[in-house]
Amino acid sequence: IAGITQAPTSQILAAGRRMTLRCTQDMRHNAMYWYRQDLGLGLRLIHYSNTAGTTGKGEVPDGYSVSRANTDDFPLTLASAVPSQTSVYFCASRSGTWNTGELFFGEGSRLTVL
Amino acid sequence: AQSVTQPDIHITVSEGASLELRCNYSYGATPYLFWYVQSPGQGLQLLLKYFSGDTLVQGIKGFEAEFKRSQSSFNLRKPSVHWSDAAEYFCAVGARRTGFQKLVFGTGTRLLVSP
Repeated sequence: IAGITQAPTSQILAAGRRMTLRCTQDMRHNAMYWYRQDLGLGLRLIHYSNTAGTTGKGEVPDGYSVSRANTDDFPLTLASAVPSQTSVYFCASRSGTWNTGELFFGEGSRLTVL
Repeated sequence: AQSVTQPDIHITVSEGASLELRCNYSYGATPYLFWYVQSPGQGLQLLLKYFSGDTLVQGIKGFEAEFKRSQSSFNLRKPSVHWSDAAEYFCAVGARRTGFQKLVFGTGTRLLVSP
């Protein structure tokens, strides 16, 4: 089934550790996004990539980095995790052109930083 | 910059009753508007979107929404709610100039459906 795959589904992590959340899509969409979802705050954009080889900062980029080596993969890395990064993380890709289209979301990665 | 407000955190509706979820946005020009639904443990799924044209938009699962520029609103409606509609609903607003890079989501409204 075509779509977005995120891994891991859930992870508990000690503060200070490095963590990479994986995201893979098989829809050949150019644009991809990482959001975090926190209670009462909705979804907030962390980083995005309009096409392979390019990335950009979203609303809450501090403490996170991304790379986009190819069209399908868009990993999110926490270099040194902190408790405030406890959240549910969603990867998404966009169909259509940059100012039209639709976002397709993965099922999320629940991260707990202790 | 655009912003969006969903004033209702929770709403409970009886099965078979009508539903309206409120969404108010702030943006100086004509926005892009979306409604997404999130079932427990799942990602978000697009219900409907408004880019231009007819201000009454039909979506999936029997939902519709109406763009009212004068009220800066994009309320989601369904004439008869089913128990499977219980989920969290998010309104989102985007700007034409920045597209999805600056898509702003509301804080969500959790819909509970009573028997």
